[in-house]
Amino acid sequence: KAGVTQTPRYLIKTRGQQVTLSCSPISGHRSVSWYQQTPGQGLQFLFEYFSETQRNKGNFPGRFSGRQFSNSRSEMNVSTLELGDSALYLCASSSISSTEAFFGQGTRLTVV
Amino acid sequence: QKEVEQNSGPLSVPEGAIASLNCTYSDRVSQSFFWYRQYSGKSPELIMSIYSNGDKEDGRFTAQLNKASQYVSLLIRDSQPSDSATYLCAVGDSNYQLIWGAGTKLIIKP
Repeated sequence: KAGVTQTPRYLIKTRGQQVTLSCSPISGHRSVSWYQQTPGQGLQFLFEYFSETQRNKGNFPGRFSGRQFSNSRSEMNVSTLELGDSALYLCASSSISSTEAFFGQGTRLTVV
Repeated sequence: QKEVEQNSGPLSVPEGAIASLNCTYSDRVSQSFFWYRQYSGKSPELIMSIYSNGDKEDGRFTAQLNKASQYVSLLIRDSQPSDSATYLCAVGDSNYQLIWGAGTKLIIKP
């Protein structure tokens, strides 16, 4: 069974640009959550999608948005990038019957 | 505000000893509890799940849950240098959301 796949693995962007990150969950999983992690920091919850609907949302500005497609794949978009957005962005998927979360390898975003 | 508290460490343990990691949570109705291991620069990996009071053992790992005290712990027996990592505690709430602790950094000294 394939795991959670995140693309791209690494990304370098310039301040002011926008970026889109992709996450393909484990087959059969319908919940996808996104997290931001900066060096030495814990996981900061961005949002969670279930069956194409945003079910939970963290305390991030509106520049951070996401969506989920009918095949459960999810994308996360960050507009008007700031230097402080440099981080490891993690996606996790869960099945319908459990809150157990399985993580992808992450996308490391560097804003210069 | 739902919270999960962990000692940030670092917790230093000699090789071969038992490492004990602790976590407390604020939401009394929480029903699911997880321990994740995260190596530096890598993504978190699920190592233990526990749902009912008591102990759950898996190899060298034992998770302990006490819902009355709102406390969950992870014991690692016969600690190895490869166990050196940050351990994250996560608690599932009634909205299917995981509430995360900030993690405890564990260092196993050879």
